[in-house]
Amino acid sequence: DAKTTQPNSMESNEEEPVHLPCNHSTISGTDYIHWYRQLPSQGPEYVIHGLTSNVNNRMASLAIAEDRKSSTLILHRATLRDAAVYYCILQNKLVFGAGTILRVKS
Amino acid sequence: NAGVTQTPKFQVLKTGQSMTLQCAQDMNHEYMSWYRQDPGMGLRLIHYSVGAGITDQGEVPNGYNVSRSTTEDFPLRLLSAAPSQTSVYFCASSYGLAGTNTGELFFGEGSRLTVL
Repeated sequence: DAKTTQPNSMESNEEEPVHLPCNHSTISGTDYIHWYRQLPSQGPEYVIHGLTSNVNNRMASLAIAEDRKSSTLILHRATLRDAAVYYCILQNKLVFGAGTILRVKS
Repeated sequence: NAGVTQTPKFQVLKTGQSMTLQCAQDMNHEYMSWYRQDPGMGLRLIHYSVGAGITDQGEVPNGYNVSRSTTEDFPLRLLSAAPSQTSVYFCASSYGLAGTNTGELFFGEGSRLTVL
């Protein structure tokens, strides 16, 4: 099964951009890349998804490598409310790994 | 819209007891799923359904049963609770097959279960 690999944790300063990486070297050609985040004591919430092209929405941007073996979630200006666990998942069986804990410093 | 509603939010069981976690969505989503989340870990898929009358197993199905008699409801039954089933359970739904272009998952707030 296709799996994703993310760093355990990252730290950012408030108001600065954050780049959250995800490796998915065994991704299949039809797998969409989805990102979710989970705030403390809440259920996960959808952030963004894409297939091949870079994607933007009001929450974030998703940059997908040309070979699709990696992607990066970009938060353009981190706020304290962005502190959460961020999950990168693929279509295959929707396996959520441990994700990346993002800490934002004021 | 209520979105995805889970009940109860908290439950304490004794080993061997059975119970049902309820999940309802009002978005006419075909796809529904149940996850469990243990402390410090990601979500693991228990069971999922791609439509009424259709269910399938996920990563960790043992000890759980599901049924999907209507589009709106997807209850999760614990047959004989064990301490290893102490966890937070999340129900999710999506319009299309989860993980696809129309498969944005909407999650409930979670049900915290403790088995003594």
